[in-house]
Amino acid sequence: SQQGEEDPQALSIQEGENATMNCSYKTSINNLQWYRQNSGRGLVHLILIRSNEREKHSGRLRVTLDTSKKSSSLLITASRAADTASYFCATDGVTGNQFYFGTGTSLTVIP
Amino acid sequence: DAGVIQSPRHEVTEMGQEVTLRCKPISGHDYLFWYRQTMMRGLELLIYFNNNVPIDDSGMPEDRFSAKMPNASFSTLKIQPSEPRDSAVYFCASSRRQVLTGNTIYFGEGSWLTVV
Repeated sequence: SQQGEEDPQALSIQEGENATMNCSYKTSINNLQWYRQNSGRGLVHLILIRSNEREKHSGRLRVTLDTSKKSSSLLITASRAADTASYFCATDGVTGNQFYFGTGTSLTVIP
Repeated sequence: DAGVIQSPRHEVTEMGQEVTLRCKPISGHDYLFWYRQTMMRGLELLIYFNNNVPIDDSGMPEDRFSAKMPNASFSTLKIQPSEPRDSAVYFCASSRRQVLTGNTIYFGEGSWLTVV
């Protein structure tokens, strides 16, 4: 399988704390993306990092990428109850056209 | 744009029945993906199309599954005959090739299938 794996599987934090999720993948990539899924809904794109980038920011999101370790992390700063969702990393295949998703991290932010 | 539209949102069917899931991608997108999500296996890529042509169907679990894309604005995923283990959420997603910035996939809300 080309799927990645997120770690931890589940994370529970207090509102205002930072949340860090990790993703490991197996094959070489062009890009790595993070998506969010609210319960009962489809996935929504959060941020994309290219293989030649090491860090990227978007609002309260910070993504890092270490291609030598085939790993990425997503940091959500100053978390809010509305951040409660599952978070997935997605890697593209050899052609860059198909996308493989990890198993997801379920984040619960307690108000 | 209305986004990726899937139907039905929910379907309960009896084992052995044919199930057809439908998808309308975002206009202008040339890639279409079908994913299946279960608690046990997570999100699995079943098949994807480029310009209406199936490119990789290696994720389709069995011959009972088939997918078509007769035109740029419509795709179907069919299961015949259905089995209880097919119960899952089936997502359709689309994207447009972005060489410089990378592709972003847009997902529909999913079709929740229960086979009893």
